[in-house]
Amino acid sequence: GAVVSQHPSRVICKSGTSVKIECRSLDFQATTMFWYRQFPKQSLMLMATSNEGSKATYEQGVEKDKFLINHASLTLSTLTVTSAHPEDSSFYICSARGLTSTDTQYFGPGTRLTVL
Amino acid sequence: DQQVKQNSPSLSVQEGRISILNCDYTNSMFDYFLWYKKYPAEGPTFLISISSIKDKNEDGRFTVFLNKSAKHLSLHIVPSQPGDSAVYFCAASVDSSYKLIFGSGTRLLVRP
Repeated sequence: GAVVSQHPSRVICKSGTSVKIECRSLDFQATTMFWYRQFPKQSLMLMATSNEGSKATYEQGVEKDKFLINHASLTLSTLTVTSAHPEDSSFYICSARGLTSTDTQYFGPGTRLTVL
Repeated sequence: DQQVKQNSPSLSVQEGRISILNCDYTNSMFDYFLWYKKYPAEGPTFLISISSIKDKNEDGRFTVFLNKSAKHLSLHIVPSQPGDSAVYFCAASVDSSYKLIFGSGTRLLVRP
């Protein structure tokens, strides 16, 4: 099946720093990638949708200047958490949808962000 | 307002028996439904999906049933195995937007 990777799997940073998370589709080209976050024991909440070569579409309540998304190629999307604060600590998961696939999204393994 | 609801936070079943996980939705525009399985600190793994033009889809031990009039879908796992123990999320999407709206998940425990 389709494989999506994320890097890093875990990151700890100081408050005020920026953190970049990469999401790659390894064996297929992804026209659309999605970024989710999950708080403990809660559902996955969609943050933004990114299409290759265009600006990301953010969900209501998600600050686009704080969560910068770049989808520069059909296999790579990045999420940068700028000026991270402890409340940004969460589990961030990306997913990717291929060129010819159905509505199935394939998820990455997630990135655990801890902001001290 | 939750558009996709999983009202049972947890479910415990005996190995070999049937596991039934339920999901309700409120948005009648949803036309594609999926089930994902998730282990702690990992991303969700796709299990099975169903289009709104169908009422049943089967894949091995997993069967998804869709009742559009009741806005209800369920995932049946038969027979349940200890390795099935995980959190199960149902998700729905509208038209061609491909945005998935997730339920809150049900933690399944299959007892040996």
